[in-house]
Amino acid sequence: AQSVTQLGSHVSVSEGALVLLRCNYSSSVPPYLFWYVQYPNQGLQLLLKYTSAATLVKGINGFEAEFKKSETSFHLTKPSAHMSDAAEYFCAVSGPNFGNEKLTFGTGTRLTIIP
Amino acid sequence: DAGVTQSPTHLIKTRGQQVTLRCSPKSGHDTVSWYQQALGQGPQFIFQYYEEEERQRGNFPDRFSGHQFPNYSSELNVNALLLGDSALYLCASSGTSYNEQFFGPGTRLTVL
Repeated sequence: AQSVTQLGSHVSVSEGALVLLRCNYSSSVPPYLFWYVQYPNQGLQLLLKYTSAATLVKGINGFEAEFKKSETSFHLTKPSAHMSDAAEYFCAVSGPNFGNEKLTFGTGTRLTIIP
Repeated sequence: DAGVTQSPTHLIKTRGQQVTLRCSPKSGHDTVSWYQQALGQGPQFIFQYYEEEERQRGNFPDRFSGHQFPNYSSELNVNALLLGDSALYLCASSGTSYNEQFFGPGTRLTVL
């Protein structure tokens, strides 16, 4: 069975500082990996996805993530935090055959930006 | 191009009642998945519909059932509602040529 673990249910960073949200996955086959963002009282918006192409994936709003098979990780980063980045972030895995199969989500990380 | 739409936005029911939630997929998508997101948790997969049939199912009881129509829209039905069914219900759509799912805004169900 596939699973993801998000380390840190709450992360606080200062405006302009580096954002690092951690995600480790477990999968017996090459996975499809995703990061989604959820703003209060809204649905999920896709930030970026890994589908076995380039290991460094660039997404929207300046976010990127690097797939590291040896570490089974897919951490999300952004060089400079903005107040508008405050939200809940979910890492998810799907597969094994297609990226549109069922998504298994982590428990989420709430990102707070300190002015 | 409209994205994934869901109705209603909010719903209040009492224990034992039945509820139907609706979802229209993004244009060009033929696959609909449903997720339950309890407060403070990540979404949990309920089931996925493709070609009007349930293709995958998560660990949810038979009280949760669904349907997909020829126009690819979908319904989620929950019978004999329990307090624990209170959650945000998310619909996501995708196409066979897409390696991602697009989510709707969700329906907030409160069971009293």
